[in-house]
Amino acid sequence: AQTVTQSQPEMSVQEAETVTLSCTYDTSESDYYLFWYKQPPSRQMILVIRQEAYKQQNATENRFSVNFQKAAKSFSLKISDSQLGDAAMYFCAYTSGTYKYIFGTGTRLKVLA
Amino acid sequence: GAGVSQTPSNKVTEKGKYVELRCDPISGHTALYWYRQSLGQGPEFLIYFQGTGAADDSGLPNDRFFAVRPEGSVSTLKIQRTERGDSAVYLCASTQGGSNSPLHFGNGTRLTVT
Repeated sequence: AQTVTQSQPEMSVQEAETVTLSCTYDTSESDYYLFWYKQPPSRQMILVIRQEAYKQQNATENRFSVNFQKAAKSFSLKISDSQLGDAAMYFCAYTSGTYKYIFGTGTRLKVLA
Repeated sequence: GAGVSQTPSNKVTEKGKYVELRCDPISGHTALYWYRQSLGQGPEFLIYFQGTGAADDSGLPNDRFFAVRPEGSVSTLKIQRTERGDSAVYLCASTQGGSNSPLHFGNGTRLTVT
């Protein structure tokens, strides 16, 4: 069965600094998709970035980038130039291309002014 | 509407009562999901609709939970004989379909069973 693990319950970063959130997953599939979602106190899950497993190039969206290590089954999120508005819960998610998405338990990110 | 809409935002009910939670997906999205998020946890899959039919309801915890999507757009999650353990945030999401379409979530309904 596929699983997603986020081993950091909470992380802190100083404003304008860089932080990396970790995510590992387990799957026997060769083709799949990985996502990072942000959940602020409003509860709405917002897509931050996504990565197709068949692409070797790491995805980047402005200040957000991933380090995708397929062999290690690792998918970390790097946030550069952290801003106060980045404070939220971050969830890593996996889907093998069917409809089922599996989420990790989340990492709470605190941004210190 | 522009996004996924869920009503009510919050619902408090007494143990044993019946509740309905509503989800209005993004217009044109054929796929609709219900997830449950307990405190300190990630979302857990409940049920998936493709059009009007429930393609997979394997995540529903027991037969007190039921969901419908009669016209292929709005969906209602129904919980009978609520228990305190049902307290959670219930999230709805929709997608256009396709293998890598990202989920678009609503703001969820926080259900509290007293």
